[in-house]
Amino acid sequence: DGGITQSPKYLFRKEGQNVTLSCEQNLNHDAMYWYRQDPGQGLRLIYYSQIVNDFQKGDIAEGYSVSREKKESFPLTVTSAQKNPTAFYLCASRGGGRYEQYFGPGTRLTVT
Amino acid sequence: QKEVEQDPGPLSVPEGAIVSLNCTYSNSAFQYFMWYRQYSRKGPELLMYTYSSGNKEDGRFTAQVDKSSKYISLFIRDSQPSDSATYLCAMNPEFSGGYNKLIFGAGTRLAVHP
Repeated sequence: DGGITQSPKYLFRKEGQNVTLSCEQNLNHDAMYWYRQDPGQGLRLIYYSQIVNDFQKGDIAEGYSVSREKKESFPLTVTSAQKNPTAFYLCASRGGGRYEQYFGPGTRLTVT
Repeated sequence: QKEVEQDPGPLSVPEGAIVSLNCTYSNSAFQYFMWYRQYSRKGPELLMYTYSSGNKEDGRFTAQVDKSSKYISLFIRDSQPSDSATYLCAMNPEFSGGYNKLIFGAGTRLAVHP
């Protein structure tokens, strides 16, 4: 089955710790995206990558970092510099010259 | 003013009702319009995708785009309790320099009660 997987589904961390969220796709898509979703605020773009070894900051990149070493994988690290990290994180991908994005199931991160 | 406005609801309807969900936008360059359905604590799922103006139908769902009014709609006929979810509109302009960024509405919460 082709799709996007995110792990873990739930993640709990103490303040001051970095944490890495996993995103893998087997759709052979070139572009991948990370979004953050907070209640009542819709989706906000954190980082995106059009091809391997290249990525760009989105609207709210501060306190986050990414890497894109393989086409299938786009991990997101939430650093201790992110002031308000508790949120629902969504990974998406796009390919085939099309515009629509396909989403993974999300990771809910809680930092206390 | 946000680029895409969407009433957050909640919208509560009885089973079998026709549901109308709407978004307005300000950027006349938007050409591609999408509707996503998101169940609680899940990732958004692509429902409908349209290009430019016009209607598109898929089963009980109809997407409408009126570019002259900068207004898009999603109609759900014979609504079911399983349609209860948050519906997100999304849109973007023609490809420009290899950069593709979807602009999302905040989502409308729909509840269909038996």
